[in-house]
Amino acid sequence: DAKTTQPPSMDCAEGRAANLPCNHSTISGNEYVYWYRQIHSQGPQYIIHGLKNNETNEMASLIITEDRKSSTLILPHATLRDTAVYYCIVRPPFIYNQGGKLIFGQGTELSVKP
Amino acid sequence: DTEVTQTPKHLVMGMTNKKSLKCEQHMGHRAMYWYKQKAKKPPELMFVYSYEKLSINESVPSRFSPECPNSSLLNLHLHALQPEDSALYLCASSQEDRSYEQYFGPGTRLTVT
Repeated sequence: DAKTTQPPSMDCAEGRAANLPCNHSTISGNEYVYWYRQIHSQGPQYIIHGLKNNETNEMASLIITEDRKSSTLILPHATLRDTAVYYCIVRPPFIYNQGGKLIFGQGTELSVKP
Repeated sequence: DTEVTQTPKHLVMGMTNKKSLKCEQHMGHRAMYWYKQKAKKPPELMFVYSYEKLSINESVPSRFSPECPNSSLLNLHLHALQPEDSALYLCASSQEDRSYEQYFGPGTRLTVT
């Protein structure tokens, strides 16, 4: 399974864009990149995923480099409620009868400050 | 309704007790999961149920016994736990086991004394 590397912590000013990097240099061609976040004392929350094209939804944008060895999650206007641990996960290839096996790394603790 | 509910929110049990954690979803999802999360650590997968059948057991000790009585309900039966089993137990569901978009409940905070 491809391993991900994320900075342990980051700060961001409220109202500014938060750019969270993730390195996944061993990713293979059919592996997707998923992002989840976990706000303190809550369960993880799915944010976005992508394969090679950039993706955007109502929560965030995902930029994947052309060589797919790294990606960046962008929260365009961070608020205090975005303070959370953000997990970048490379989805291993689906194996029949093995389920959607999410393997969480250590994540980045994002602190949004007023 | 995109909610996964878990009860109880908090549980304190002795090492000789038997207790159960309950998880429920009404999204029509056919895959359900149990994760364990120790303090300051990421969640770790314990079990996966797909169409009410156990499809993955991540070498979890037998003192943890999962059960999926129907497609909406997932239980985790606990017996003879150790203090090191104290953790946040998270339940999740997804449309099917091919989906990595999992919806998580808020978890049950378990303390074993």
